[in-house]
Amino acid sequence: QVQLVESGGGVVQPGGSLRLSCAASGFAFKNYAMHWVRQTPGKGLEWLSFISYDGNIQYYADSVKGRFTVSRDDSANTFYVQMHMLRTDDTAVYFCARDAANSGTHWNYFDFWGQGTLVTVSS
Amino acid sequence: DIQLTQSPSSVSASVGDRVTITCRASQDINRWLVWYQQKPGKAPRLLMTASNLQSGVPSRFSGGGSGQDFTLTISSLQPEDFATYFCQQAHIFPLTFGQGTRLDIK
Repeated sequence: QVQLVESGGGVVQPGGSLRLSCAASGFAFKNYAMHWVRQTPGKGLEWLSFISYDGNIQYYADSVKGRFTVSRDDSANTFYVQMHMLRTDDTAVYFCARDAANSGTHWNYFDFWGQGTLVTVSS
Repeated sequence: DIQLTQSPSSVSASVGDRVTITCRASQDINRWLVWYQQKPGKAPRLLMTASNLQSGVPSRFSGGGSGQDFTLTISSLQPEDFATYFCQQAHIFPLTFGQGTRLDIK
């Protein structure tokens, strides 16, 4: 069965960095685009970033552009987001999510999600 | 960015009731609208695209709409349906979500 497992969350000081990982299993990871989405009680669900199935295309929300970078390692079936210059308003639960399309396209919605990992930015 | 406005923000209902949630987009998104259900402490679950149920989703859920106005209807609420529902537009980046509709037991 499809599984996505996030890791790497924790407490970090403002201005710090963190890398989140998303380990995928149960499907042909290399065929799927992937996304990061975060959730806070105050702002709800916020889409953050997209990477195409081949890694050649990335998109970012304005709120994280220039600070977050997504990447993927198909040999390890893992998807990453490197986060720099973290701010207190980056505090959230971070989800990785699989795009619902496969085989080289993307439909921009999410058919499977990980369980989420909490990132807390605080001094 | 495309804004999605859900209404109501919260609703109380009883088992067996029929409930409709609406999602209005700030511009035409054709039929690129999906619905998720989320229970506390869990990840969202994909329910349907504009009008197509995902596999395994009960037929009491239905959806409709195109352009800017969309609906999600639950025809006869079951205890497991009490949750928060989100719409999301898949038309253009940045992808955006509605603020959510909390459905709880009356």
